[in-house]
Amino acid sequence: KAGVTQTPRYLIKTRGQQVTLSCSPISGHRSVSWYQQTPGQGLQFLFEYFSETQRNKGNFPGRFSGRQFSNSRSEMNVSTLELGDSALYLCASSLVGVPTDTQYFGPGTRLTVL
Amino acid sequence: DAKTTQPNSMESNEEEPVHLPCNHSTISGTDYIHWYRQLPSQGPEYVIHGLTSNVNNRMASLAIAEDRKSSTLILHRATLRDAAVYYCILRDVPNSGNTPLVFGKGTRLSVIA
Repeated sequence: KAGVTQTPRYLIKTRGQQVTLSCSPISGHRSVSWYQQTPGQGLQFLFEYFSETQRNKGNFPGRFSGRQFSNSRSEMNVSTLELGDSALYLCASSLVGVPTDTQYFGPGTRLTVL
Repeated sequence: DAKTTQPNSMESNEEEPVHLPCNHSTISGTDYIHWYRQLPSQGPEYVIHGLTSNVNNRMASLAIAEDRKSSTLILHRATLRDAAVYYCILRDVPNSGNTPLVFGKGTRLSVIA
């Protein structure tokens, strides 16, 4: 079974631009979560989608948004990029989205904001 | 979210057992104890989880104290591939829905050949 895939793997943007990252979960998984990892703050939860609905949201500004499609694929968007948005963005999928589910992480998208 | 405390770093010799401790003195009755690890340049990877009883799988064992205020992840024979940051995470089980993984700083395990 293919794992979680994320595209693109690397991205360079400039301040003020917007960016869209994509995540394809493991086939059959219905829950997709997004995390941001930086050297200073570590791994932080952004949001979770389940059956096309945002179910949980972390403490990030409204510039960070996401959506999930009917095939469970998910995208996250960051508008008006800031230097501090430079990070590794990780996507994780789980089968039915309950706390005892294993979350399977993708390799991440490395975003650099110049 | 309930907090966990882990040592910043640990070192082990290859092929020896490793015991990674985690303190969670404020754990609630519905918190599951999860362990994930992150190898260099990769996303986190599930290792094991448990509620009250000790658990074993092909990767590791999880020993949970009787009062559940601490737990230990046991790697039976460390290999170079086990060098990673190990995260101990508590996840509450709500009446419905999901709770996210809340990562702390974890323990950086170095394995010496």
